[in-house]
Amino acid sequence: SQQGEEDPQALSIQEGENATMNCSYKTSINNLQWYRQNSGRGLVHLILIRSNEREKHSGRLRVTLDTSKKSSSLLITASRAADTASYFCATDGLSGNTPLVFGKGTRLSVIA
Amino acid sequence: EAQVTQNPRYLITVTGKKLTVTCSQNMNHEYMSWYRQDPGLGLRQIYYSMNVEVTDKGDVPEGYKVSRKEKRNFPLILESPSPNQTSLYFCASSSTGTRNYGYTFGSGTRLTVV
Repeated sequence: SQQGEEDPQALSIQEGENATMNCSYKTSINNLQWYRQNSGRGLVHLILIRSNEREKHSGRLRVTLDTSKKSSSLLITASRAADTASYFCATDGLSGNTPLVFGKGTRLSVIA
Repeated sequence: EAQVTQNPRYLITVTGKKLTVTCSQNMNHEYMSWYRQDPGLGLRQIYYSMNVEVTDKGDVPEGYKVSRKEKRNFPLILESPSPNQTSLYFCASSSTGTRNYGYTFGSGTRLTVV
């Protein structure tokens, strides 16, 4: 499967700092998505970037995609304690029947 | 409110006792899926459905059954639960029409099999 792999596994920063998480994947994709999960809760869709896009913004989130390196990054600027959560990348394959495949996530802790 | 509803939220059961976890969505989504989440393993797909009466196996289907008789419902059935099925389960749905949107997840079902 074309599972995404997030890096680092865990990240701890001070409130106000920027947080960067990376995702690598193995095969060609239609799009790549980022999700957030607060402890024990359902995942929440954050942002989707298509394979023909290189950068996308949504509020304090910035996502980049480099299809030549099969990698993506998620930047959260001016982090807040409420950003503490696990973040997952998920890849959507080229075939219409290919379901989303999730990585194992990055656990972000933002210390007030 | 657009949502995916799972029930129950928590469930403790004994080995071998059949159970069903329900999932319902009110967004008229074609695509629905079940995942299990375990520490260190991330989310793994159990089964998915592209539309009514169309289901397919994910990465870890053993010990599970699903059905999709109606568009809105996608129940997960454990015919004979075992302790290794203790996990956090999530149902998700998506519109497959444009593939430009992400999944909407339910709040999860924490299952313990003793």
